[in-house]
Amino acid sequence: AQSVSQHNHHVILSEAASLELGCNYSYGGTVNLFWYVQYPGQHLQLLLKYFSGDPLVKGIKGFEAEFIKSKFSFNLRKPSVQWSDTAEYFCAVTPGNSGGYQKVTFGTGTKLQVIP
Amino acid sequence: EPEVTQTPSHQVTQMGQEVILRCVPISNHLYFYWYRQILGQKVEFLVSFYNNEISEKSEIFDDQFSVERPDGSNFTLKIRSTKLEDSAMYFCASSLGGGFGTDTQYFGPGTRLTVL
Repeated sequence: AQSVSQHNHHVILSEAASLELGCNYSYGGTVNLFWYVQYPGQHLQLLLKYFSGDPLVKGIKGFEAEFIKSKFSFNLRKPSVQWSDTAEYFCAVTPGNSGGYQKVTFGTGTKLQVIP
Repeated sequence: EPEVTQTPSHQVTQMGQEVILRCVPISNHLYFYWYRQILGQKVEFLVSFYNNEISEKSEIFDDQFSVERPDGSNFTLKIRSTKLEDSAMYFCASSLGGGFGTDTQYFGPGTRLTVL
């Protein structure tokens, strides 16, 4: 069974600081990787995803993530955060190449607080 | 952009009562899911549903839980006899499914269930 670890539970940054949130997964086969974001009072939204190909994935709102297979990692980055990026960020994984239904396994989430 | 919707947004019930949580998935999606998030914990998979039957369920999804697609648009989660530990945010999700690139799950805003 797959598992996901997010080591940073709460991150506080000033506006314009750079962001990197760690995500490591554990699974014996190929995986699909996701970052979801949950803004205060809102539902989970897809930020970006990796299925195959270029390991550097660009998502919405200037976010990107890099899949490093040798490290089982999929860290989320943003060069310059804004106050509006304050939210909870979830790394998630599904088994790759299975098609059809897939259960998403989530990490515990990282709360990002951006101070103006 | 199409969205997954859920009703009610907040449900309060007495222990032992039955509750039905409702979801309207994205209209052309074929795969449906329920997840829950107990306060302070990670989002956990409960069940996936395709072609009018359960595809996979977790150990959490015991005989007290059931899912149904009563018509062409709704997808429901029923808890027959609620327990205090069922208090959580319940998320519905749907995906187009069918293979590579179409397996992203889109989440609804959640229903917060409080069992007293």
